[in-house]
Amino acid sequence: DIQMTQSPSSLYASIGDRVTISCRASQGIGTDLAWYQQKPGKAPKRLVFAATGLQTGVPSRFSGSGSGTEFILTISSLQPEDFTTYYCLQHNAYPWTFGQGTRVEMK
Amino acid sequence: QLQLQESGPGLVRPSETLSLTCSVSSGSLTSAQYTWGWIRQPPGKGLEWLGSVSYSGSTYSNASLKSRISMSIDTSKNHFSFNLTSVTTADTATYYCARMTTLGVHPWGQGTLVAVSS
Repeated sequence: DIQMTQSPSSLYASIGDRVTISCRASQGIGTDLAWYQQKPGKAPKRLVFAATGLQTGVPSRFSGSGSGTEFILTISSLQPEDFTTYYCLQHNAYPWTFGQGTRVEMK
Repeated sequence: QLQLQESGPGLVRPSETLSLTCSVSSGSLTSAQYTWGWIRQPPGKGLEWLGSVSYSGSTYSNASLKSRISMSIDTSKNHFSFNLTSVTTADTATYYCARMTTLGVHPWGQGTLVAVSS
C-alpha cells in the first residue's frame, strides 16, 4: 500500500496567516492527489484535484502544488471558516489512502 | 447535480453483518468513467478507503478488511450496496458512500453513523 505521511498533525495560526500542509507519498504517484477539507459532522469537501487544480467554487486563497512524492496545500490568508481539518488522498493505486489529517486551530 | 445518500441501520450487533445502501440521484451509475465506493471514519479519527464497485460489478477492496467486505451495484435502481461481515466494535464509524473518479473522490454522501454494540 502507498503510505501518505501528512504533516503537521495540527497547527496553530491566526486570521490572515499563510499556512502550508504537507503530504509525502511512500512512492511516486504523479499528480494523483487530492486535498479535502472536513468540518465537524460533515462529509469531506474536495478543495484541490490533480495536485494543483482548484475545485470550482473553492476560494482562490487555497492552492496545491507538487508531484511525485511531495505535495503541499497552501492557504494564503487564513479566514475564520478555514479553522478545521484537512486531508490528502492518493488515488494512484489501490487501496486509495488518506493522510492522517491536519487540524488547523486558532492561535 | 449528483447526490448520494446512505441508508441502513444505525446499530449492529457484534459478529453480525453491516449492510448499507447508497442511493444516487441526478445522475447515472452506468458511466465507465467512475466507480462507486465506500469510505469510513471512526469517531475522532481519520478516513479509510474501503472499496469500490464499477457499473459492471467489478470490485476493488481494501485488503485490510480481508474477506469481510462485499459490494454490489444495481444500475436499474440507481443504487449500490456494501456488506461488512463479522463486525466488531472496531467497525464503529461514520460510513460515507461516494463517487470515485480519476480525480479522486467526489462527491460524497452525507455519511451515516453505524455503531457496533451489544
